[in-house]
Amino acid sequence: NAGVTQTPKFQVLKTGQSMTLQCAQDMNHEYMSWYRQDPGMGLRLIHYSVGAGITDQGEVPNGYNVSRSTTEDFPLRLLSAAPSQTSVYFCASSYLKNTEAFFGQGTRLTVV
Amino acid sequence: TQLLEQSPQFLSIQEGENLTVYCNSSSVFSSLQWYRQEPGEGPVLLVTVVTGGEVKKLKRLTFQFGDARKDSSLHITAAQPGDTGLYLCAVFSGAGSYQLTFGKGTKLSVIP
Repeated sequence: NAGVTQTPKFQVLKTGQSMTLQCAQDMNHEYMSWYRQDPGMGLRLIHYSVGAGITDQGEVPNGYNVSRSTTEDFPLRLLSAAPSQTSVYFCASSYLKNTEAFFGQGTRLTVV
Repeated sequence: TQLLEQSPQFLSIQEGENLTVYCNSSSVFSSLQWYRQEPGEGPVLLVTVVTGGEVKKLKRLTFQFGDARKDSSLHITAAQPGDTGLYLCAVFSGAGSYQLTFGKGTKLSVIP
């Protein structure tokens, strides 16, 4: 089983460029979320979705957009990349709240 | 203010030693999860505790949820190099309790 698939695994962007981090899950999970992980800061929630067409902001949403047009996909868009967005990004999904979250392998993003 | 405080932040021990790491909060939770993250990978769920005072065992790992459901501990007996990783506690919080919030983690190194 594929589980949660993130692409790309590595990306280098120049300041001001835009890009989309892809996340797909094949477990028919309703709940999906995006986190960033920085040294000493732990995992911080960027945006989350409780179902197709429904998204909400997490702890650090500024500079990021999301949409959820299907149950399977939850892309994260950076409209104008900044060096402060250099991080490792994780996508996660779960069947319901209060259940196990399954994570992708992460995308390491560097903004120069 | 961090919702979940984990201690210690770093721990380096010799193979065969015992250790305990902690996850503390001033808030009460209906459940708490422990994840382990290995380098280059996403976190993987180890256990969910839901009842005050609950103790769960997973081979050499023992998890306890505090009686007041505000804190938790993870005890590892006879640590092995394969236990090396980042140990994260997490709770569902926020409006509707849809946001899975993580502590900053304890980075464990077990030296052969």
